[in-house]
Amino acid sequence: QSVLTQPPSVSAAPGQKVSISCSGSSSNIGNNYVSWYQQLPGTAPKLLIYENNRRLSGIPDRFSGSKSGTSATLGITGLQTGDEADYYCATWDSSLSVGVFGGGTKLTVL
Amino acid sequence: VQLVESGGALVQPGRSLRLSCAASGFTFRSYSMNWVRQAPGKGLEWVSYIRSTSSAIYYADSVKGRFTISRDNAKNSLYLQMNSLRAEDTAVYYCVRDLPMNAFDIWGQGTMVTVSS
Repeated sequence: QSVLTQPPSVSAAPGQKVSISCSGSSSNIGNNYVSWYQQLPGTAPKLLIYENNRRLSGIPDRFSGSKSGTSATLGITGLQTGDEADYYCATWDSSLSVGVFGGGTKLTVL
Repeated sequence: VQLVESGGALVQPGRSLRLSCAASGFTFRSYSMNWVRQAPGKGLEWVSYIRSTSSAIYYADSVKGRFTISRDNAKNSLYLQMNSLRAEDTAVYYCVRDLPMNAFDIWGQGTMVTVSS
């Protein structure tokens, strides 16, 4: 059971847009920055978004992040088959003094 | 910029193992570091954090008291000493560079730890 809650899966057609949610609490998302990661099959995770909405250098602007209260969202527009991957949100939990990840969301581009 | 883990192996429950991570291409002593693991077919789990100067260390509850994170800035190396290993510690262990504000920007390729009799 992850501290951060993500939908297990989302899907959309190529060229469409998808949003992946990440829900937490005041001790984690509510008072800390959120980051997002993409993990392609058989590879290490890759940082996409940090400080809620800042794209790492080299990440296409098709990827965006936002945060409101105790929830965060990763948005992906212009979906490509190469975007099929697992996506994870992460932050720090100030009450527990631990890092926390969401359970991950598998994106399928139909 | 690169992180290379080593030390993963098949070990029996209750035994110990030490993972190492060699950093290159950046000023290792300036960055905090983490270990993150991923059990087969499962999601990511943060394991431990160590500040650049080793002045602050944190652990996940699942490993507290059994695992010890350390670093040697002179050798550009990060370590994870794992004692009293359990089957549920079976995972790929990633060495991960820490950006301020809760982000992990550089990941190693991972090293597999299998705990089984």
